[in-house]
Amino acid sequence: DSGVTQTPKHLITATGQRVTLRCSPRSGDLSVYWYQQSLDQGLQFLIQYYNGEERAKGNILERFSAQQFPDLHSELNLSSLELGDSALYFCASSVVDSTDTQYFGPGTRLTVL
Amino acid sequence: AQKITQTQPGMFVQEKEAVTLDCTYDTSDPSYGLFWYKQPSSGEMIFLIYQGSYDQQNATEGRYSLNFQKARKSANLVISASQLGDSAMYFCAMPSHSGAGSYQLTFGKGTKLSVIP
Repeated sequence: DSGVTQTPKHLITATGQRVTLRCSPRSGDLSVYWYQQSLDQGLQFLIQYYNGEERAKGNILERFSAQQFPDLHSELNLSSLELGDSALYFCASSVVDSTDTQYFGPGTRLTVL
Repeated sequence: AQKITQTQPGMFVQEKEAVTLDCTYDTSDPSYGLFWYKQPSSGEMIFLIYQGSYDQQNATEGRYSLNFQKARKSANLVISASQLGDSAMYFCAMPSHSGAGSYQLTFGKGTKLSVIP
């Protein structure tokens, strides 16, 4: 158990809908990262938050947004869902620095029908 | 930008034997590090081992060790005494920076390891 929690574990929804994925980092970790894992794209970095502020953006679609709250939990919002958004979404957390290990949550498996 | 290459899509190893999973990288950063993660069929990503480019000795964590060869830009994972539970996908990853305090991992495509009884 990495100490990172993600809810829900599974999510099935229809095209055009909006969903919210939730992540609680390990106790003491200030940075939260979101990654998408799909069969064709592999593991891709989406976005990083540090202590409530956005720090880095990767290949995140405009339909996707995220935020980190004062209690450091984070949410990833996916809207106008398409079939291609079906993937495993991971949240990871680290203490602060670049050499810090990122510990991953169990992931949320999103299926868009 | 960092690039990570894992050239072995799949590998087989006999139980109790050692196996080496290859990872090569490309980076312009003078200081960098390499991570290895394991992803079992259940889906979670498990941190295995890390080594920084300035570390003098190859990192070791139990049955896992990193064979870091900077001149060849390779950071291979060695698993000794393979166990059935080692069957999984293995990913090599490198951190990259896009500004102060910003940090992301770039992953290779992974190697699927199957341990044969």
